[in-house]
Amino acid sequence: GDSVTQTEGQVTVSESKSLIINCTYSATSIAYPNLFWYVRYPGEGLQLLLKVITAGQKGSSRGFEATYNKETTSFHLQKASVQESDSAVYYCALRQDTNAYKVIFGKGTHLHVLP
Amino acid sequence: EAAVTQSPRNKVTVTGGNVTLSCRQTNSHNYMYWYRQDTGHGLRLIHYSYGAGNLQIGDVPDGYKATRTTQEDFFLLLELASPSQTSLYFCASSGGTGRNTGQLYFGEGSKLTVL
Repeated sequence: GDSVTQTEGQVTVSESKSLIINCTYSATSIAYPNLFWYVRYPGEGLQLLLKVITAGQKGSSRGFEATYNKETTSFHLQKASVQESDSAVYYCALRQDTNAYKVIFGKGTHLHVLP
Repeated sequence: EAAVTQSPRNKVTVTGGNVTLSCRQTNSHNYMYWYRQDTGHGLRLIHYSYGAGNLQIGDVPDGYKATRTTQEDFFLLLELASPSQTSLYFCASSGGTGRNTGQLYFGEGSKLTVL
């Protein structure tokens, strides 16, 4: 079946340093999944960070970017300079464009930004 | 802003107990989802639905039933709860069809403890 694999566990980065959280997907049942990054900040609910529905396009929000690469089946999340307020749990997700729009998630990456 | 309300927010039961988790969304979304979140596993899809009376099987359905009684209401049922079902449960909804939609709106979560 379809799956999402992302950088697991905790990632620790010093403030103002760059960040990349890897995400790759396997979409055997469909050619063009929609791809998402969700985030949960401490004490808050899970919310959308960014999404891309077309291969080759880039999504961006709050200084984060992710490019939908169909060739490498990747959707890595990047930020040039992180802030302490970016500390959160990040989830990569895939939404099938068929099969009743099933949405599956990676296991989540806990980002800890050191001041 | 989409509103998804879950109840109860906290529930403690014993092994073999009967539990119903409720979810209501008030934005006329067609698609609704139940996930469980566990450390080391991220968000795993239990059941989902694309309309009243419809039910789709997710990736971890064993021990769970679900029912979508109306467009607004989606219930998750644990008829013989087991300690392995101790988890944080999230309901989510999504509107529209096609490739230009797909954002999930999440409830605040229901913490279930099975003793």
